Amino acid sequence: QKEVEQNSGPLSVPEGAIASLNCTYSDRGSQSFFWYRQYSGKSPELIMFIYSNGDKEDGRFTAQLNKASQYVSLLIRDSQPSDSATYLCAVNGNNRLAFGKGNQVVVIP
Amino acid sequence: DTGVSQDPRHKITKRGQNVTFRCDPISEHNRLYWYRQTLGQGPEFLTYFQNEAQLEKSRLLSDRFSAERPKGSFSTLEIQRTEQGDSAMYLCASSYPTGGKLGDTQYFGPGTRLTVL
Repeated sequence: QKEVEQNSGPLSVPEGAIASLNCTYSDRGSQSFFWYRQYSGKSPELIMFIYSNGDKEDGRFTAQLNKASQYVSLLIRDSQPSDSATYLCAVNGNNRLAFGKGNQVVVIP
Repeated sequence: DTGVSQDPRHKITKRGQNVTFRCDPISEHNRLYWYRQTLGQGPEFLTYFQNEAQLEKSRLLSDRFSAERPKGSFSTLEIQRTEQGDSAMYLCASSYPTGGKLGDTQYFGPGTRLTVL
C-alpha cells in the first residue's frame, strides 16, 4: 500500500463551482498534512497545511482532516480558470514529505 | 527574490556523463531536502540535510548519486554516469524547524529538469 493515495482521475469543474479533492494516507502516526498546487512544468507551491482534525479555511481553500479515517481533503470554492493545475497531497513523516500522485483539476470557463 | 533557487533550470546531457545541480535555500532555513519527480508522479524524497549534516538518504539515492552541503548553506546534488532513467525534475526544498512532532513546512525551488539522451 502506497503511503499517500490520490485515486481520482482528472476533475473538470465549471467556473464558480466547488472542486473537491481527497487523499488517504497509511501511517496512522502522521501528524502534519500539506496541499501543494503544481502548474504544468513548474514546481510545487504550498497552498495549505493542517495538523488538527476538522476544517481549516484560507480564502477560497478549505482543508479537512480526519485522522481516525486517515484522510485529508481540499475544497476549492468559486473555482477560477487559474486554479487549473495538479494538486498534490503530502504527509510529513520523519522530516520527509510523502506525496500522492496528484489530482489534475481543470476549471472550465 | 528570497525563495529557494536552483541552478541550472534545465540540463541536457548524454548518457554516461556526470552532472551537478545547485540549490540555495531560503536564507534562514537550516533544513534542506532533495526530491525527484517524474512525469505523472508526485515528488519522491531523495535526501535531507540539517545544517551541513546529511541526516537521511532514500534507497532511491544509488551510489551514483551524492549530495553535499559543505557549509550548511547551499547544497549540490551530483549524478555520476547518468542513465536515461535519471531523466526527471530534481526539486530542492528548505524549511525552518518548528520543533515537536508536527514537522516543518517545506518550500520548493523551481527545480532542475534533467534530460539524459
